[in-house]
Amino acid sequence: EPEVTQTPSHQVTQMGQEVILRCVPISNHLYFYWYRQILGQKVEFLVSFYNNEISEKSEIFDDQFSVERPDGSNFTLKIRSTKLEDSAMYFCASSRGGNNEQFFGPGTRLTVL
Amino acid sequence: AQKITQTQPGMFVQEKEAVTLDCTYDTSDPSYGLFWYKQPSSGEMIFLIYQGSYDQQNATEGRYSLNFQKARKSANLVISASQLGDSAMYFCAMREGTVDKIIFGKGTRLHILP
Repeated sequence: EPEVTQTPSHQVTQMGQEVILRCVPISNHLYFYWYRQILGQKVEFLVSFYNNEISEKSEIFDDQFSVERPDGSNFTLKIRSTKLEDSAMYFCASSRGGNNEQFFGPGTRLTVL
Repeated sequence: AQKITQTQPGMFVQEKEAVTLDCTYDTSDPSYGLFWYKQPSSGEMIFLIYQGSYDQQNATEGRYSLNFQKARKSANLVISASQLGDSAMYFCAMREGTVDKIIFGKGTRLHILP
């Protein structure tokens, strides 16, 4: 069964460093998303991406964040200058259409020291 | 106001019993979708079941069913014949109208007892 994959599973970085989180969505899906979950809290939407552009973003997704689909398979989230409060589990998700269920990847746990 | 409310932070249920996890939602959009996700201790988010606001019948997927009561704005998840592997965090979530994002509730931690 096709699934969303994410790498790395755990990333540790120093405050102020740039990180890139990678995702491979399900191959025939057209919509891609990033969510995050701070430890012990609920899952929060960051951004959605369709047709090579951002279709929606939350207030969390400020200028420090960017997304890219550099080729036909990968979908990346870049945090330019990480802060301590960026420590969280980051989930990538994809869906066939905007109204369809979103399938989540296993997550990348980001720890900012 | 909370868009998704899950009033049970934790539940303990005996193995093989049926479980109902509560979820109420708040939206003024006539078109919306409701989701349940399972998050085991390993951390991944597993899609369980989906109910569209215009769906006439309650959604079912194997041992999972969604008790959709539109007038009450309630979308409870029912797990029949619970198993030890059902122990996890369960999130109710909603997508409104043509908006892409899914809004999650705070979750219910379910413990299945042997």
